[in-house]
Amino acid sequence: TQLLEQSPQFLSIQEGENLTVYCNSSSVFSSLQWYRQEPGEGPVLLVTVVTGGEVKKLKRLTFQFGDARKDSSLHITAAQPGDTGLYLCAGVLGNQFYFGTGTSLTVIP
Amino acid sequence: DVKVTQSSRYLVKRTGEKVFLECVQDMDHENMFWYRQDPGLGLRLIYFSYDVKMKEKGDIPEGYSVSREKKERFSLILESASTNQTSMYLCASSFWSGANVLTFGAGSRLTVL
Repeated sequence: TQLLEQSPQFLSIQEGENLTVYCNSSSVFSSLQWYRQEPGEGPVLLVTVVTGGEVKKLKRLTFQFGDARKDSSLHITAAQPGDTGLYLCAGVLGNQFYFGTGTSLTVIP
Repeated sequence: DVKVTQSSRYLVKRTGEKVFLECVQDMDHENMFWYRQDPGLGLRLIYFSYDVKMKEKGDIPEGYSVSREKKERFSLILESASTNQTSMYLCASSFWSGANVLTFGAGSRLTVL
């Protein structure tokens, strides 16, 4: 089993603040994905990063894949209440997906 | 809009009952997965299937079985439900390709009393 640790597990911030979520592993992955899950729904893919050192931006969200393809970070600028949800990273190897422990984000208006 | 549909959103069962969780996808995906989601543990893989009538054990298969008689349908079976199987169950599917993306259903929350 490939293990991915996410930190922090819980995060509660005020609207407008910035935050970073980390996803760390000792394993190398072919790609790394981030999903967001809202209450009562299944996770939905936000982004896939493939190349070591790759940075992708999705509006106020910035995703980075570590140079060694073992870790990743998600940075949110000026968080909004609509960003509230559970953020999950997933390491991909072949057709297998290995999920992180999750970060529950609450953005307070 | 492509979908993965889990027919039962909320179930309450008693210890020892047999439980069926159904999942149907309309995207002609080869791969289908059943995950269990518990707070602080992320998603843990129970079983997966790469083709009709094919199944592989994931990380936590004990107490579960699966059935895939048709490409679009993947069922999770709890032969004799126990209280430690109270959880959220998520079904997902993906193409067999290099650009793997999981499409999830909305989940089935099972409570075993």
